Amino acid sequence: SQQGEEDPQALSIQEGENATMNCSYKTSINNLQWYRQNSGRGLVHLILIRSNEREKHSGRLRVTLDTSKKSSSLLITASRAADTASYFCAMRTGTASKLTFGTGTRLQVTL
Amino acid sequence: DTEVTQTPKHLVMGMTNKKSLKCEQHMGHRAMYWYKQKAKKPPELMFVYSYEKLSINESVPSRFSPECPNSSLLNLHLHALQPEDSALYLCASSPLGLAGARDLSSYNEQFFGPGTRLTVL
Repeated sequence: SQQGEEDPQALSIQEGENATMNCSYKTSINNLQWYRQNSGRGLVHLILIRSNEREKHSGRLRVTLDTSKKSSSLLITASRAADTASYFCAMRTGTASKLTFGTGTRLQVTL
Repeated sequence: DTEVTQTPKHLVMGMTNKKSLKCEQHMGHRAMYWYKQKAKKPPELMFVYSYEKLSINESVPSRFSPECPNSSLLNLHLHALQPEDSALYLCASSPLGLAGARDLSSYNEQFFGPGTRLTVL
């Protein structure tokens, strides 16, 4: 079964609003990463948070990690139309060079 | 050069054809990956190469055959595919720990190519 579940599955907001998407996972992780994918294209790495970190910022992005609840959230502030994409959390577990992706959130930002 | 390139961008093949997907990176990354992604689904890992050796095969059918000829190139050879194999195939790379270290795994971000859209008729 999927390692990570994301919600909401889809999110539609207006430009300037904030977007929050959540990721829950099942087993212990070494780090959790967030990626963006524009329609039918490759994934772009956004931010990585390690298991001993609780919050991280990068520009308009804020990521939190709660290992006790096995959950993470990605907040995009002051969204833009160009933020329209699918967003995936990805968990690195164990010692293998392997990421397991969450189910994804499709974000639509309208003008 | 911080780019992963993939060729071709699109590929249409019949079930009896043999074709290959190619991936290249010049970032010095020693881990390379193949993923398969169906529409509106997350990428699913197929293979991982670490230092040009196959380290993970996620029980992929033998009609998919990976090859890593050198540290910059990764191929995926396709033979006798089925229509359900139609998908976006993504290549990625990431840095690894130093050869000889106890933990060779990558804790870092993965860099993805733009993908090859494969249609099997």
